[in-house]
Amino acid sequence: GQQLNQSPQSMFIQEGEDVSMNCTSSSIFNTWLWYKQDPGEGPVLLIALYKAGELTSNGRLTAQFGITRKDSFLNISASIPSDVGIYFCAGLGGNTPLVFGKGTRLSVIA
Amino acid sequence: EPEVTQTPSHQVTQMGQEVILRCVPISNHLYFYWYRQILGQKVEFLVSFYNNEISEKSEIFDDQFSVERPDGSNFTLKIRSTKLEDSAMYFCASRPQGLGSPLHFGNGTRLTVT
Repeated sequence: GQQLNQSPQSMFIQEGEDVSMNCTSSSIFNTWLWYKQDPGEGPVLLIALYKAGELTSNGRLTAQFGITRKDSFLNISASIPSDVGIYFCAGLGGNTPLVFGKGTRLSVIA
Repeated sequence: EPEVTQTPSHQVTQMGQEVILRCVPISNHLYFYWYRQILGQKVEFLVSFYNNEISEKSEIFDDQFSVERPDGSNFTLKIRSTKLEDSAMYFCASRPQGLGSPLHFGNGTRLTVT
């Protein structure tokens, strides 16, 4: 099945720093999604990307859909303590269900 | 904002017992999903459901699993004869009509099989 490689696996950063994480795939996706999961809760949608090359922002978050349609990145600027959590990329192919990356665990040190 | 709701939040069951996990998707959504997340691992697809039938299922979704939409609002996942390795968070998700429309997830049911 389709696989997503998400990196880094975990990050420890100081409050105020910028964060970058990315996902790559050997398959082409039509939609890239970024979710955040807090402990004990379900994934919450952060950003949805629908077109190759698309760059979308949501507050301090910015994500891009790679032009090859095989990758995406998420940036978080000026991190704050509540950014702590696990960030998952997810991709949708033509007729395939949503596939998740393994997640990036973000820790923010105040 | 409308949300996907799941009950119970935590279910403990003995190995070999049957469990039913319940979900109420967002009301105008048409596509429904179950995903599973074993502790510390990624979220894995189990099954998708549309127009009152399964549209796709993964190899995890074997004969011990079944889904049902018994009425206009509920969407259930039944696990027959649970095994220890079924212990996980089970997430229900739904999405509206529209190619590539994003999934909205519930907060999950933590299933513990002892």
